[in-house]
Amino acid sequence: EVQLVESGGVVVQPGGSLRLSCAASGFTFDDYAMHWVRQVPGKGLEWVSLISWDGSSTYYADSVKGRFTISRDNSKNSLFLQMNSLRAEDTALYYCAKDMKAVAGIGGVDYWGQGTLVTVSS
Amino acid sequence: SYELTQPPSVSVSPGQTARITCSGDALPKKYAYWYQQKSGQAPVLVIYEDSKRPSGIPERFSGSSSGTMATLTISGAQVEDEADYYCYSTDSSGNHVVFGGGTKLTVL
Repeated sequence: EVQLVESGGVVVQPGGSLRLSCAASGFTFDDYAMHWVRQVPGKGLEWVSLISWDGSSTYYADSVKGRFTISRDNSKNSLFLQMNSLRAEDTALYYCAKDMKAVAGIGGVDYWGQGTLVTVSS
Repeated sequence: SYELTQPPSVSVSPGQTARITCSGDALPKKYAYWYQQKSGQAPVLVIYEDSKRPSGIPERFSGSSSGTMATLTISGAQVEDEADYYCYSTDSSGNHVVFGGGTKLTVL
């Protein structure tokens, strides 16, 4: 059974930094690209970032480019999102999500975690 | 930036057919994926690569794509199908993933 468990969501002040983690199990982690997707409570889904199976290719939404960095540690079946220069509009539930393909950009998400809540507030 | 456009809401009676559309300029070349999200839950994949159904998804869910529009069809919608539905695709380069704005399906 595929399991994705996010952690690291907390309350942080504007301008602060945060690192989210996602522990993956139930599948061969380094066979698949991975995503971060966020959702403001009561609003729609917003794609944040995507990383290829080996970490060689990374892509970002314009809203986070230059502030967020996606990475992975295949030896530990883990996905990360380093979030810097946080803004109030980054407040959301952040989902870790598994892609159906290894190469980034040609597949879609087939499994989602339950999310971790990030609140940016003073 | 690339956008996928969905109607905000669709309403049908139980047993009727619900159709949810998703329009985007790159859809003639890129697959559409569809997700169901019930209140307080993570999204669930219901259609991938335009028209394929994952195991465990009821047969009443189907998908199609023609030109710049993809369509999710729920034949004989049931009360338990009430949820938000999102389409997903990429721009023509494949470098930017986009979700549609979501469609709230009401079955009553």
